[in-house]
Amino acid sequence: GAGVSQTPSNKVTEKGKYVELRCDPISGHTALYWYRQSLGQGPEFLIYFQGTGAADDSGLPNDRFFAVRPEGSVSTLKIQRTERGDSAVYLCASSLSVPNEQFFGPGTRLTVL
Amino acid sequence: AQSVTQLGSHVSVSEGALVLLRCNYSSSVPPYLFWYVQYPNQGLQLLLKYTTGATLVKGINGFEAEFKKSETSFHLTKPSAHMSDAAEYFCAVSSGGGADGLTFGKGTHLIIQP
Repeated sequence: GAGVSQTPSNKVTEKGKYVELRCDPISGHTALYWYRQSLGQGPEFLIYFQGTGAADDSGLPNDRFFAVRPEGSVSTLKIQRTERGDSAVYLCASSLSVPNEQFFGPGTRLTVL
Repeated sequence: AQSVTQLGSHVSVSEGALVLLRCNYSSSVPPYLFWYVQYPNQGLQLLLKYTTGATLVKGINGFEAEFKKSETSFHLTKPSAHMSDAAEYFCAVSSGGGADGLTFGKGTHLIIQP
């Protein structure tokens, strides 16, 4: 079956611009997670959805970052006024049940020039 | 707060030799522990996980790990390394019963020498 998909695979933008990153979880998975992986580091938790609501957004670095999941399936991570330090691979994962095995997508590589 | 420390950003072993990747964690509650592998240009794949019960867990591709509460460790081992094991390995902890975001270590790059 289809795994977690993320679009675009690569995104290059200029400092100050707005970007949206999309995640399509595995069908039927109620939990969805966003992580950020900087070069040479492990993934860093950003936000977790259970259904349509954000159950934990404690990892979002500041108010420039926002994520939605309006219908409990697809999620969009939105970054306003991008900065060069936002450059990283943004990973999405989904899980069906607890204790979770999180299935990861291939990521979106964001480069802010 | 929870954290994960992986000792050794790079580990090099000969093909056929024992693989040992170290992971120590801190958690204020009984943890769930995971090992993920990341091959070049691919997504993270779960190798194995510990939740409750038996402390020695077996995963895919011949890997296993042992949860040692007294040492707060969850080291990953494989008796005989294969060239295809070359990848980045991440240890992760969940303190929310598995229903929360994972905290990852910085990763260990495993190099297999022919």
